Amino acid sequence: TQLLEQSPQFLSIQEGENLTVYCNSSSVFSSLQWYRQEPGEGPVLLVTVVTGGEVKKLKRLTFQFGDARKDSSLHITAAQPGDTGLYLCAGNTFEGSYIPTFGRGTSLIVHP
Amino acid sequence: KAGVTQTPRYLIKTRGQQVTLSCSPISGHRSVSWYQQTPGQGLQFLFEYFSETQRNKGNFPGRFSGRQFSNSRSEMNVSTLELGDSALYLCASTPGDREGLSKQYFGPGTRLTVL
Repeated sequence: TQLLEQSPQFLSIQEGENLTVYCNSSSVFSSLQWYRQEPGEGPVLLVTVVTGGEVKKLKRLTFQFGDARKDSSLHITAAQPGDTGLYLCAGNTFEGSYIPTFGRGTSLIVHP
Repeated sequence: KAGVTQTPRYLIKTRGQQVTLSCSPISGHRSVSWYQQTPGQGLQFLFEYFSETQRNKGNFPGRFSGRQFSNSRSEMNVSTLELGDSALYLCASTPGDREGLSKQYFGPGTRLTVL
């Protein structure tokens, strides 16, 4: 059972469109992170959200952490081909030690 | 600062063999974490080393082991390789002082293929 469920799994859109990627769980997370991974490279951190209800903006990307700290969303406005990549959400659970958990990711392709 | 480096980048082994992967963290970072990434399971946490001690451990069998040296470089070993061990193995480093919240810097990974 995947602790963090991401949807959709795949997304293929045209340049200029908007999109939202979701990350859901039945567990509470102390923090949630979003990464982007490009082929042949490791994931790169985009943002960390810590407070329930928190909204963070990074240029055309808007991240939201759910009030109950169980879910998060990533919204991209006016997508560009450079946004193409695998978007991963990750959370930390604490069960005596910190265990980082990643979703399976959303593979985004933005066509010019 | 130089980023996280992993060697080798690509590796082909046969079932039953063992393999050692290496990770050099960003200078000054004391924590190194290892992950396995496969299309079916995604990114899964193997273990984390901090100041030469294993601090956190994921749910992988004992065939997967690691260690960290005094210069923070880390190695991961997989013994008795199975076909299902074929994956991209990523390491990530952090300063290590804010456990669970630090920004992880990932290396490019080692692509392991088991035949």
